[in-house]
Amino acid sequence: DGGITQSPKYLFRKEGQNVTLSCEQNLNHDAMYWYRQDPGQGLRLIYYSQIVNDFQKGDIAEGYSVSREKKESFPLTVTSAQKNPTAFYLCASSMGPAGLAGGYLSSYNEQFFGPGTRLTVL
Amino acid sequence: GENVEQHPSTLSVQEGDSAVIKCTYSDSASNYFPWYKQELGKGPQLIIDIRSNVGEKKDQRIAVTLNKTAKHFSLHITETQPEDSAVYFCAAFMSSGGYNKLIFGAGTRLAVHP
Repeated sequence: DGGITQSPKYLFRKEGQNVTLSCEQNLNHDAMYWYRQDPGQGLRLIYYSQIVNDFQKGDIAEGYSVSREKKESFPLTVTSAQKNPTAFYLCASSMGPAGLAGGYLSSYNEQFFGPGTRLTVL
Repeated sequence: GENVEQHPSTLSVQEGDSAVIKCTYSDSASNYFPWYKQELGKGPQLIIDIRSNVGEKKDQRIAVTLNKTAKHFSLHITETQPEDSAVYFCAAFMSSGGYNKLIFGAGTRLAVHP
C-alpha cells in the first residue's frame, strides 16, 4: 500500500515544548514538502527538500526545523520559537525535484499529500 | 508579491447544478495550475491540472479553463453530486527566490444539497 503517512494524527503540545511531526513516503519520490494550513487560508510552504541531505526554507520557516537523512523520511520539528503553532500540518512529496532556478513546466511533477497532523498548543 | 486569489470562498448548489470556482494569479511566468479537493480531516487530492500550453482540459464532470492573457483559470463541475462537497484549492506554479513552488488560493467550500 503505497503513499504518504503522517503521524500522529492529533498532537497536543504545552507551551515551550518542541514537538516533531513524522512524514514517511514509500513512493520513491525525491522531493518532499511541509505545509501549514490555517482556517480560511490556503497552504503555506514551511520547508522543502529536493534530495537527501538538502532542504530549503519556504515562506514561513521561522520557528521550524527539518532534516532529510533518508529519502523516505522528512520530519518537521515545531520549536518553542514558533509563536502560533496551532494548525493543521500537511506533508507532500513529488517524483521530481522541486525545481531549479529557471526551471519550467516539463520539470514539475504532481504533489501527493499525506493525511495531515493537527497540532494544538495547550 | 506573488499570490493566487480564489473566489468564491463558499459555494452552495443544488444537486445536479453546475459549480464554478475562479482563480487569478500574479506571476505571468506561471505555467502549471493544479486543482485539489480536500475532504474534512484529510489531505488534499489532485483532481485535475492544466499546463500553460493548453486552454482547456476536461475529465468526465470536471473541467478547467485557462486564460493566460487575463491570468485566470477556473474549475467547472457539472451535474454536481453530494459527494462533491469539499474544500477546493487552486494553485499556481511559480519561480521565486531561486526555487520553484506552488502558491495556493485560500480555498472554496462547496456544499452540494440533495
